[in-house]
Parts: sequence; structure tokens; C-alpha cells
Amino acid sequence: KAGVTQTPRYLIKTRGQQVTLSCSPISGHRSVSWYQQTPGQGLQFLFEYFSETQRNKGNFPGRFSGRQFSNSRSEMNVSTLELGDSALYLCASSLGPMAGNTIYFGEGSWLTVV
Amino acid sequence: DAKTTQPTSMDCAEGRAANLPCNHSTISGNEYVYWYRQIHSQGPQYIIHGLKNNETNEMASLIITEDRKSSTLILPHATLRDTAVYYCIVRQTNTGNQFYFGTGTSLTVIP
Repeated sequence: KAGVTQTPRYLIKTRGQQVTLSCSPISGHRSVSWYQQTPGQGLQFLFEYFSETQRNKGNFPGRFSGRQFSNSRSEMNVSTLELGDSALYLCASSLGPMAGNTIYFGEGSWLTVV
Repeated sequence: DAKTTQPTSMDCAEGRAANLPCNHSTISGNEYVYWYRQIHSQGPQYIIHGLKNNETNEMASLIITEDRKSSTLILPHATLRDTAVYYCIVRQTNTGNQFYFGTGTSLTVIP
């Protein structure tokens, strides 16, 4: 069974540009969540989607947005990139948002903003 | 705020059991304890989770105290590949897949 797949794995963007990251959850999983990891702030929750609806959102500016499609695949977008957005962006999936459902993470997308 | 407290770092000799403690004194009755680990530059890897009872799988054992205020992750025979940052997370039932990771414990397995 394939794991959580994230694309692209590595990318470099310029300040002011926007970026879209993609996540394909494990087959059958309907919940997708996104995290940002930086050396200074560690792993921080961005948002979570279930059945195409955003359920929770972390404390990030509106430049960070996401969506989920009917096949449970998800994308996140960061507009007007800043140097501080350089980070590892992680996607995770689970069967659903219930606390007993295990969450599995992808390998992440490394974003460098120059 | 963090709901768990873990030591910043630990060492363990290769082949010995690694016991990683976690304090979660404010845990509620319906909150799960999850453990993940992250090897440098990779996504967090699920290890094990539990609610009240001790749990064991092919990777590790999870021992939860009777009052549920603390737990211990046990890697029975640590190998060099177990060197990683280990995160203990209390998963609330009303926040879905929103985890607070904290800083975790950096485990170094020594040859």
C-alpha cells in the first residue's frame, strides 16, 4: 500500500512568488493535514481537511491556504512568499479525524525561498 | 501550550533497551498518547499509540501509568537506525488531526 505522497520534493522560489504543494493521501484516507517544520519553530500545524472541508486551521497568515478535492488529494498554496517561509512542509493523512485513527506522514516538500 | 514534557536528549547503548519518558499530567480521559519519531530530513514516522492500556507492536512498547499522567516508550533492542527525535503527543478528541509536537527527545544510539 502506497504511503502519503508529496510533490514536489524540493523546490526553490523567489520572494514574492507563490507556490503550490500537492499531497496524495494513503488510499482510503479522507483526512489530510498539513504541517510546517522550521529549525526555529519546530513542527507547526497549518490546517486539516476532511471531506473537502477545512476542519481546523493553525495560527498562520492568510497567505497560507489549502484545499481538498473529492478524491481526498490536497494542495496547499503559499502566496507572496517570504524568506521565512523556507521550510519542510509535511502532509499527513488518516482514515478520518477521530482520535483513534493513526496519522501517517509523507516525506515532505522542501521549500527554499531566496 | 505544550501538553507533554520530554527530556531534551538521551543516549542509549546499541542493543540495550531505550526507555523514553513522557509526562502528560493534564491528559483527559478520552485523549490518546501517540509516539512518532523523525529521522533527520524525513517525515515523522508513526510508532505506537494508546489510550489506557499498555500497547506493543513490532517497533516498540508503550507503558502508560495507571493514572495516565505519564508514559514510557520502550525500544527493546536499540540499533543505530533508531537514532532520531522522538515525539510524545497527546491527541485531543475534538481537534482531529491537529497535533502539537513540542521539541521531543533526541535519542542517540551509541555503538
